[in-house]
Amino acid sequence: DIVMTQSPLSLPVTPGEPASISCRSSQSLLYSNGYNYLDWYLQKPGKSPQLLFYLGSTRASGVPDRFSVSGSGTDFILKITRVEAEDVGVYYCMQAVQTPFTFGPGTKVEIK
Amino acid sequence: EVQLVESGGGLVQPGGSLRLSCAASGFTFSDHYMDWVRQAPGKGLEWVGRATNKANNYITEYAASVKDRFTIARDDSTNSLYLQMNSLKIGDTAVYYCARGRIIGSYRGFDCWGQGAPVIVSS
Repeated sequence: DIVMTQSPLSLPVTPGEPASISCRSSQSLLYSNGYNYLDWYLQKPGKSPQLLFYLGSTRASGVPDRFSVSGSGTDFILKITRVEAEDVGVYYCMQAVQTPFTFGPGTKVEIK
Repeated sequence: EVQLVESGGGLVQPGGSLRLSCAASGFTFSDHYMDWVRQAPGKGLEWVGRATNKANNYITEYAASVKDRFTIARDDSTNSLYLQMNSLKIGDTAVYYCARGRIIGSYRGFDCWGQGAPVIVSS
């Protein structure tokens, strides 16, 4: 199985400041079609997870452009240019290049 | 509006069985693979398994932790997804989410999730 790791696991942030989350996989997520099968999800407190990005860098519908992603292969980064209060929650990366799909442990983003 | 609504959660004793349902609406259910994801109390997300679509012969796949105990089924005539859970263990205690998966030729992540069905395995 592909092991996903994230860092940091906890991220206190100041509103208006940037934030960055790293996600790494134990195997390359780059498929033969040129796409990275890496998703990002946000689970806000008490809510179901919601999709932020899929195929490495495709923004899901309704996701603000203060969120961006980069990376390929085994190393990926999610960035928030200016954190807002509504961005708090747990961020997960998930690989979908092969089953079983596996999630990272999550990064809890909270306001300082 | 695309919507997934789970039902059937509850309290069950170790070794018991439970069946979860997921009612889909607002999209062509039969086109999509459908997945189950669970979250133990205070823990992260764990993929449970998926049911592919008719074009892929309704193949099902499972996480090793539930294989041979859980069965995923779907009924395209009623837009419903099911998770039959047998030989339940205390470690299966979690909120179970159904999620809309891919269609043939296009992967778009799990772009719709249900509200979750809580399952508590306890004596």
